[in-house]
Amino acid sequence: EPEVTQTPSHQVTQMGQEVILRCVPISNHLYFYWYRQILGQKVEFLVSFYNNEISEKSEIFDDQFSVERPDGSNFTLKIRSTKLEDSAMYFCASRRDSQGEAFFGQGTRLTVV
Amino acid sequence: RKEVEQDPGPFNVPEGATVAFNCTYSNSASQSFFWYRQDCRKEPKLLMSVYSSGNEDGRFTAQLNRASQYISLLIRDSKLSDSATYLCVVNRDDKIIFGKGTRLHILP
Repeated sequence: EPEVTQTPSHQVTQMGQEVILRCVPISNHLYFYWYRQILGQKVEFLVSFYNNEISEKSEIFDDQFSVERPDGSNFTLKIRSTKLEDSAMYFCASRRDSQGEAFFGQGTRLTVV
Repeated sequence: RKEVEQDPGPFNVPEGATVAFNCTYSNSASQSFFWYRQDCRKEPKLLMSVYSSGNEDGRFTAQLNRASQYISLLIRDSKLSDSATYLCVVNRDDKIIFGKGTRLHILP
């Protein structure tokens, strides 16, 4: 069964460093998403991406964040100058159309120290 | 007002009981609706899509009332393995919006 894969599963970084979280969406999917979930809290929307551009972003997704689809398969989230409060689980998701179910990767646990 | 609101929980329910989850959404432009399940420290996984006609999958029944902007999930004959957080999810344009989730503990 096709699945969304994310790497790494756990990333520890020092405050102020840049991190890149990687995702490989399901191959025939067209819509891509990043979400984050701080421990014990809700799943929060960060950004949606379609047709090689950001279609929507939340207030959380400020200039510190960027996304890229550098080739036909990868979808990355870059966080510049990480802060302690960026520590969370980051989930990538993809879906084939704008109304169908979204499939989530297993997440990257980011710990900023 | 939050766009998707759910019962705060947690629900502590004996095995075999029936559990009902409620969810309301505020934006009438919302287009499609889902229930996801999330186990501790895992990714959300689709439990079922929700349709106005109602849909059933084994012990699970989901219902949508567009007029009231209300979504429900019923779990019959609950099992220990049903213990998880249940997330109400609403789709608007291409944005997927999650409720905060309701934690369910099934007690042996």
